[in-house]
Amino acid sequence: DVKVTQSSRYLVKRTGEKVFLECVQDMDHENMFWYRQDPGLGLRLIYFSYDVKMKEKGDIPEGYSVSREKKERFSLILESASTNQTSMYLCASSAGGRDEAFFGQGTRLTVV
Amino acid sequence: GENVEQHPSTLSVQEGDSAVIKCTYSDSASNYFPWYKQELGKRPQLIIDIRSNVGEKKDQRIAVTLNKTAKHFSLHITETQPEDSAVYFCAAGLLNNAGNMLTFGGGTRLMVKP
Repeated sequence: DVKVTQSSRYLVKRTGEKVFLECVQDMDHENMFWYRQDPGLGLRLIYFSYDVKMKEKGDIPEGYSVSREKKERFSLILESASTNQTSMYLCASSAGGRDEAFFGQGTRLTVV
Repeated sequence: GENVEQHPSTLSVQEGDSAVIKCTYSDSASNYFPWYKQELGKRPQLIIDIRSNVGEKKDQRIAVTLNKTAKHFSLHITETQPEDSAVYFCAAGLLNNAGNMLTFGGGTRLMVKP
């Protein structure tokens, strides 16, 4: 079974803090994604990576950055957390040339 | 970029009835259309998908139809059961050798009443 694991289920951070969300997949997938899930807005793509050290902006990259130093790990960074970044964050991975994206269990981030 | 609209946002049906969720997309280059089901507190999981060279696909009680000309696709669930209650997301994207970048619809909360 493909396993995509996010480091935390719940996080509470203060405004202005630097926040790291970690995601690890164990299936040697080339592609990794970070989505943000908000009610009524579905899943919106923040960033994705199709290879180590490669990254592409998604639909809502503002206020976020990413890091992919190893193939299995994709990190989402909030440089200075703001209250409007309170949301559910979902990581996903997929194999190059194949279809199904596998999701992590999500991290519910609250910025106070 | 791609834009995906999904309707309705909530859908309540009686157990045993059918449920239909509809999505439209904007980018005619999109060739891959998956549907994900997300149960409460769980991760989204793929339930069915369709590619642009196919008009319809069925898997037991679930079917998906695609109209490329009109740029819309639909999920049909027959003989609904309480365990079908969940949020369903449609998505559209371009599947190529580099993988797939998907744009998701806003989601439909399906409630199946026993």
